[in-house]
Amino acid sequence: NAGVTQTPKFRILKIGQSMTLQCAQDMNHNYMYWYRQDPGMGLKLIYYSVGAGITDKGEVPNGYNVSRSTTEDFPLRLELAAPSQTSVYFCASSSYRNTEAFFGQGTRLTVV
Amino acid sequence: GNSVTQMEGPVTLSEEAFLTINCTYTATGYPSLFWYVQYPGEGLQLLLKATKADDKGSNKGFEATYRKETTSFHLEKGSVQVSDSAVYFCALSDEVGNEKLTFGTGTRLTIIP
Repeated sequence: NAGVTQTPKFRILKIGQSMTLQCAQDMNHNYMYWYRQDPGMGLKLIYYSVGAGITDKGEVPNGYNVSRSTTEDFPLRLELAAPSQTSVYFCASSSYRNTEAFFGQGTRLTVV
Repeated sequence: GNSVTQMEGPVTLSEEAFLTINCTYTATGYPSLFWYVQYPGEGLQLLLKATKADDKGSNKGFEATYRKETTSFHLEKGSVQVSDSAVYFCALSDEVGNEKLTFGTGTRLTIIP
């Protein structure tokens, strides 16, 4: 059972570079989320989606973009990487908002 | 808006000690409440949940009771093991107009043999 798959697991970016963090789920979940987790901190919501073609901003969307063209995929785009975006990024999905969220294993991103 | 306040960490206990991690919440509606656990180098996993007042969630010896009167969902375990060392997150999902989970800041638990 794959669940939620994130790639890559680790990445080092230079300031100003761009990249896309990939997230795919095979559970046919409508809801998908991107969180970032800074050292010693909780999770902050970046963007979320309640279904294909629908996305909305979370608490900390600046510097990021998302798209949801299919139910399965929810990529997160960093256009101009900044050191403040150094973090661990988690993708998650759920069938509905009050149900269990399933998390990927995370992408550790360092911007230097 | 919704918020979750968790007991500050880190918490260090000896094996077989009793564990309590406090969690209180603020929500506009009638939320579902969750405890997630994050083991080193991994993503979050659901530990237990409760969907209405007075419900008790339980799993792997951990328990938490949904207390509406005190807006709390404290996590307890009677006898902790070294393998319980992890970061624990309290979270809520509000049924009213909110499409997301709101997390507490997490509590790092270390169990020493």
